[in-house]
Amino acid sequence: ETGVTQTPRHLVMGMTNKKSLKCEQHLGHNAMYWYKQSAKKPLELMFVYSLEERVENNSVPSRFSPECPNSSHLFLHLHTLQPEDSALYLCASSPGSSGTGELFFGEGSRLTVL
Amino acid sequence: SQQGEEDPQALSIQEGENATMNCSYKTSINNLQWYRQNSGRGLVHLILIRSNEREKHSGRLRVTLDTSKKSSSLLITASRAADTASYFCAPSTSGGSYIPTFGRGTSLIVHP
Repeated sequence: ETGVTQTPRHLVMGMTNKKSLKCEQHLGHNAMYWYKQSAKKPLELMFVYSLEERVENNSVPSRFSPECPNSSHLFLHLHTLQPEDSALYLCASSPGSSGTGELFFGEGSRLTVL
Repeated sequence: SQQGEEDPQALSIQEGENATMNCSYKTSINNLQWYRQNSGRGLVHLILIRSNEREKHSGRLRVTLDTSKKSSSLLITASRAADTASYFCAPSTSGGSYIPTFGRGTSLIVHP
């Protein structure tokens, strides 16, 4: 148990659906991250939020829309996805600039796009 | 931010043997971290080594850092089947905000 909770753990959606992934941390951290992990590829950094402001958007298609309403919650809204978006989506948090950079990861949300 | 490159990509050993995996990076770092990922799960932080340290131990883990060669190694001694996982390094670049990026990792299989 790392203190970072992701829901749902598994999601199957059609290409025309709209769904959201949720991440919650109760570690008092200031930074939250979304990563995408596809088979045979490096872990891809998607978005970074620091103190609820987006500080990094790594050329992610607009069909992925992040939202950080407060420092404890992070969402990834999904819309009109493609089959190649099927992957494990990992959320992480860290203390931010005051820490060493250690990340605390959730267990991931396994997304399958049909 | 910069990405670490792990080597080898895959490693298969017998229980009781030692496992060594390597990480290379390109620019100056503040620290370097190693993470472990069990199949289909999130990454778990294992150990952090600072740029002014050369070696660090934690249980059966030994990490070395050679800043002149821009490389690090992770040694797992007396491996167990439960050590089967993927291992990732994450170098932290000097200056600015730290945004961790990862490579493909080393996939370790320990046969009982």
